Amino acid sequence: EPEVTQTPSHQVTQMGQEVILRCVPISNHLYFYWYRQILGQKVEFLVSFYNNEISEKSEIFDDQFSVERPDGSNFTLKIRSTKLEDSAMYFCASRSDSGNTEAFFGQGTRLTVV
Amino acid sequence: GDSVTQMEGPVTLSEEAFLTINCTYTATGYPSLFWYVQYPGEGLQLLLKATKADDKGSNKGFEATYRKETTSFHLEKGSVQVSDSAVYFCALSDWEYGNKLVFGAGTILRVKS
Repeated sequence: EPEVTQTPSHQVTQMGQEVILRCVPISNHLYFYWYRQILGQKVEFLVSFYNNEISEKSEIFDDQFSVERPDGSNFTLKIRSTKLEDSAMYFCASRSDSGNTEAFFGQGTRLTVV
Repeated sequence: GDSVTQMEGPVTLSEEAFLTINCTYTATGYPSLFWYVQYPGEGLQLLLKATKADDKGSNKGFEATYRKETTSFHLEKGSVQVSDSAVYFCALSDWEYGNKLVFGAGTILRVKS
């Protein structure tokens, strides 16, 4: 069964450092998303990406964040200068362009900023 | 904006008990509705979905019916098992208005043997 894969599963970084979280969406999907879940809190939308550009972003997704689809298979989330409050589980999701509204999620990357 | 409200947990039940987790929503358009489940240490998995009024989504003994008149999508299961212990998220997605998922706060379910 096709799945969304994320790497790494856990990343620890020092405050102020840049991190890149990686995702490989399902191969025939065209909509890509990043969500985050701060420990014990709700899952929050960060950004959606379609046709090689951001289609929507939340107020959380400020200038410190960026997304890229560098090679047609990977979908990355970069945080330029991490803050303690960026510590969270980050989920990548993808959805096909067939009108099916189901999104498939990866297992998540737990980011810990120290 | 669109929002989802679900009952606070944790919900603690004995095995074979009946489960209801309430979920209501507000939306600008006509959304699709979902229940996602997160088992300990794992990611989000789609449990069931409904895309129009009066649709019933079902999977693994869980059911939820899309009630447009009450803007609700309550999750039910007739007999829970210990393996159902997880966090359950109600969510909506409005295809016309951007198609991102909007999640509720999640409800922790603990089932005791």
